[in-house]
Amino acid sequence: QKEVEQDPGPLSVPEGAIVSLNCTYSNSAFQYFMWYRQYSRKGPELLMYTYSSGNKEDGRFTAQVDKSSKYISLFIRDSQPSDSATYLCAMSAEGGYSTLTFGKGTMLLVSP
Amino acid sequence: DADVTQTPRNRITKTGKRIMLECSQTKGHDRMYWYRQDPGLGLRLIYYSFDVKDINKGEISDGYSVSRQAQAKFSLSLESAIPNQTALYFCATSPWGAGTDTQYFGPGTRLTVL
Repeated sequence: QKEVEQDPGPLSVPEGAIVSLNCTYSNSAFQYFMWYRQYSRKGPELLMYTYSSGNKEDGRFTAQVDKSSKYISLFIRDSQPSDSATYLCAMSAEGGYSTLTFGKGTMLLVSP
Repeated sequence: DADVTQTPRNRITKTGKRIMLECSQTKGHDRMYWYRQDPGLGLRLIYYSFDVKDINKGEISDGYSVSRQAQAKFSLSLESAIPNQTALYFCATSPWGAGTDTQYFGPGTRLTVL
């Protein structure tokens, strides 16, 4: 079993839809969770950062962590064509003293 | 100006050639990383450095070497390039300290080995 699993997609939705992107993981030591967005031919950029379980909201984006299920989600409300990108989850155990483990990314396509 | 820059942005080379990819940052971060990204395989860590005197192998370091010339500069070398090293290469940086795992990526170098 891979440490971090993420459906590669593509996930196609119409503009305005609510999008749910997910990752599962196997290492119970992970405590720090991130979502990165990567546009085609660009470097990943940090979108959300959360610690431990719970929700975090930033504008149209909500990150949710359920450590008991080893499951994290990113919700995008009122999706826009500009949200079309690959979304990578990342996580670490030691918060500043370890490297990140990345999912392989989910490609999202939002059609006008 | 970009905080993390990579040169060159695109490179085509031949099998057996030695090449160097360079990364510079103005973020003042101590920690730097080199990744490669391949379709279907995601981001894979090649090498990382937590400070100027620290170099660590990642999951796929064979065939690569690195040099940390200064806090702001981290170079990746392919001593004898082979076609399966064709990939998109990213440099990343992060600050030191608790709760600061977030990494900031450069724009990438697209390398093709013929």
